[in-house]
Amino acid sequence: QVQLVQSGAEVMKPGASVKVSCKASGYVFMNYGFTWVRQAPGQGLEWMGWISAYNGQTNYARELQGRVTMTTDTSTSTAYMELMSLTSDDTAVYFCARDPGGATPDYWGQGTLVTVSS
Amino acid sequence: DIQMTQSPSSLSASVGDRVTITCRASQTIGNYLAWYQQKPGKVPSLVMFAVSTLQPGVPSRFSGSGSGTDFTLTISSLQPEDVATYYCQKHNSAPFTFGPGTKVDIK
Repeated sequence: QVQLVQSGAEVMKPGASVKVSCKASGYVFMNYGFTWVRQAPGQGLEWMGWISAYNGQTNYARELQGRVTMTTDTSTSTAYMELMSLTSDDTAVYFCARDPGGATPDYWGQGTLVTVSS
Repeated sequence: DIQMTQSPSSLSASVGDRVTITCRASQTIGNYLAWYQQKPGKVPSLVMFAVSTLQPGVPSRFSGSGSGTDFTLTISSLQPEDVATYYCQKHNSAPFTFGPGTKVDIK
């Protein structure tokens, strides 16, 4: 069965960077992309961007351009999302999700809480 | 960028009631509209895409309609397990923006 298992919760200082991993199993990794979505406490869903696991092509949300980097490692079937120059506004649960190609992710990771606090 | 709005922001209905949620795009998005369900404390899950194509396993009491800029999600007979926040999302082109969500409760 399809599974996406994310790395554990992180507490970061303002200005630092965080890298969240998402290990996939149960399907052919390169046949799908990954969407990353975040959710601030008590807030709605925010689309962060997308990466193709086939060729590494990316598409980032305009507001995060320059601060976010999404990558994949086909040897370990793992996707990564790195966010730099963190502020308290980046405190959120970060989700990875498998994207079949229509920008409608069908399987989601369990979420990773990133807390930015001095 | 295209903005997505939803109404109402929350609603409370009785078990068995018909529930309708509206999603509006600031510009036309054709038929590229998806709905997600997020139960309290849980991960979001895809309910339907392309306006009305249900994900496997989603009960048939869920349906979608609309095109262009105005869309609806309907639950024909609300069940206790439908308590959740529902988000619409445009999926025609990036950015794949979500709506602000509609919280559905049981009265």
